[in-house]
Amino acid sequence: QRVTQPEKLLSVFKGAPVELKCNYSYSGSPELFWYVQYSRQRLQLLLRHISRESIKGFTADLNKGETSFHLKKPFAQEEDSAMYYCALCPQGGSEKLVFGKGTKLTVNP
Amino acid sequence: KAGVTQTPRYLIKTRGQQVTLSCSPISGHRSVSWYQQTPGQGLQFLFEYFSETQRNKGNFPGRFSGRQFSNSRSEMNVSTLELGDSALYLCASQGQGLTEAFFGQGTRLTVV
Repeated sequence: QRVTQPEKLLSVFKGAPVELKCNYSYSGSPELFWYVQYSRQRLQLLLRHISRESIKGFTADLNKGETSFHLKKPFAQEEDSAMYYCALCPQGGSEKLVFGKGTKLTVNP
Repeated sequence: KAGVTQTPRYLIKTRGQQVTLSCSPISGHRSVSWYQQTPGQGLQFLFEYFSETQRNKGNFPGRFSGRQFSNSRSEMNVSTLELGDSALYLCASQGQGLTEAFFGQGTRLTVV
């Protein structure tokens, strides 16, 4: 079980599209999540793949063939600046979350 | 409904000392997990408790231990502190069957 976020830092300009990459390795069918940590706030769930929701303009599609769960937003806002963590929960619900090392997103004005 | 509460928020300890951190989960949640967060390593899983039993354990030395009480509150203990133990320690609780983790604000431990 491993989650890889290849970019430690990502910087974009306001209004530009943003994509935070996440790849995972797991032999079963995991649940995938994106968590976000804004400055001086607690880590919180942004979205989960089973919900298929768009939260704050972000979407993430689970690609089982490529074992990826990239987070995307068409037009970045300054308030999106934060640390983003991709996480995996193994099939069977053992409640243990495996996190990637995180990507720090900075949206410049 | 109250969120996950961690105490204390900040701690400064000296090398060689030991420390105990506390976590109160969301009411009704029986699973409590602990994570160490550092700038270099990100979030690293320490251990998870469910109904007073350790169910999962990460790759940390035996100096790191924990326990869970019958009311689901959990404590984490680190003995013989080292400078490298300086980190933000996060606790998360999960309801049964719900894989979303709710995090506390963390305890910032500084070892000098």
